Amino acid sequence: AQTVTQSQPEMSVQEAETVTLSCTYDTSESNYYLFWYKQPPSRQMILVIRQEAYKQQNATENRFSVNFQKAAKSFSLKISDSQLGDTAMYFCASINTGTASKLTFGTGTRLQVTL
Amino acid sequence: EPEVTQTPSHQVTQMGQEVILRCVPISNHLYFYWYRQILGQKVEFLVSFYNNEISEKSEIFDDQFSVERPDGSNFTLKIRSTKLEDSAMYFCASSEAGWNTGELFFGEGSRLTVL
Repeated sequence: AQTVTQSQPEMSVQEAETVTLSCTYDTSESNYYLFWYKQPPSRQMILVIRQEAYKQQNATENRFSVNFQKAAKSFSLKISDSQLGDTAMYFCASINTGTASKLTFGTGTRLQVTL
Repeated sequence: EPEVTQTPSHQVTQMGQEVILRCVPISNHLYFYWYRQILGQKVEFLVSFYNNEISEKSEIFDDQFSVERPDGSNFTLKIRSTKLEDSAMYFCASSEAGWNTGELFFGEGSRLTVL
């Protein structure tokens, strides 16, 4: 069974600063994907960034990047130059390739970007 | 930009009543999902649907739950006899590619309150 753990229920960052959200996971599979989803207040959950486990290079999408430590089963999200629009709930999630169709989510981290 | 839409946004029902939650996935997507989130808990997978049949379901998705795609556009979740513990936010999602990529597009959710 897969598990995803987010140990930071809430975080706050000032605009233009950098923040890192933590995520650890556990899986017995060798092939899997990891994701960060963002859910702004009263809006849809949207995919922020995706990492294939077989890729060593950390994924990057503009101001969002991940630090994927496969041996430690850690998958943190770094948001650079934080903007007010980054205020949202952030969910870490995983899926095993080839065996299941379900995403396993963490409990989420509520990020507040302040002026 | 195409998006997944869900109705109703909030439904209040009495215990034992039937509830139907409706979703319109993105038009060219082939894979459909329902997830739910009980307040303060993780987002949990309920069911995935492809080619007019259930592909996978979780242990939560018991005989009280059913899904169908009656007219090629709507994707519905029915709860036959609601229980208090069914109170949650229910998210519909769809994806164009196979679920292994995990790139799901979510709706805003339908909040179900069972009294």
